[in-house]
Amino acid sequence: QSVLTQPPSVSGAPGQRVTISCTGSSSNIGAGYDVHWYQQLPGTAPKLLIYDNSNRPSGVPDRFSGSKSGTSASLAITGLQAEDEADYYCQSYDSSLSGSVFGGGTKLTVL
Amino acid sequence: EVQLVESGGGFVQPGGSLRLSCAASGFTFSSYSMNWVRQAPGKGLEWVSYISTSGSTVYYADSVKGRFTISRDNAKNSLYLQMNSLRAEDTAVYYCARVRRAVNYYMDVWGKGTTVTVSS
Repeated sequence: QSVLTQPPSVSGAPGQRVTISCTGSSSNIGAGYDVHWYQQLPGTAPKLLIYDNSNRPSGVPDRFSGSKSGTSASLAITGLQAEDEADYYCQSYDSSLSGSVFGGGTKLTVL
Repeated sequence: EVQLVESGGGFVQPGGSLRLSCAASGFTFSSYSMNWVRQAPGKGLEWVSYISTSGSTVYYADSVKGRFTISRDNAKNSLYLQMNSLRAEDTAVYYCARVRRAVNYYMDVWGKGTTVTVSS
């Protein structure tokens, strides 16, 4: 049971828009801690995708965007491409655990 | 090129020990805090441990507290994870990751991971 809750899977056709939610609580996202997102392609290490809720590192396409509101955050992917098929994880800090926490991960399938 | 390379994984019996290493290159290692993150087979990511730039501040997930010890040698640009009293549930790929910012940090560089298998 992860501290941050993500849907296990989402899917979309090429060119479509999908969103992945990340729901936390008053001790993490709701406490004002930032949310970060990682993309893990099959068989590879995670890669930073979004940091501080909505910022993209250099090299990440602007098709990827993030937002945060209250105790939740979202990752949106527009213009879906086959190479976007991967697992996506949200991450934040939890004050009650005094440590970093991850969501359970969401598997994105491009139909 | 900024790079992290883990090593030291392997097969160990329950109750045994392993020491993981992470070699950093392409950046000033001593200026960054570091994390260990693991991923059990078919499962999600789990934060394991954090160490500050000097090594004076360390944190552990409850699941490994008292059994694992994180350390670093800035002169050797290396991060370590000493794992004792290993359990089957410690079986995972272990990643080292560079930490950005001290509070509510994120991890911007990851190694490719090293696999630890705990089984009798």
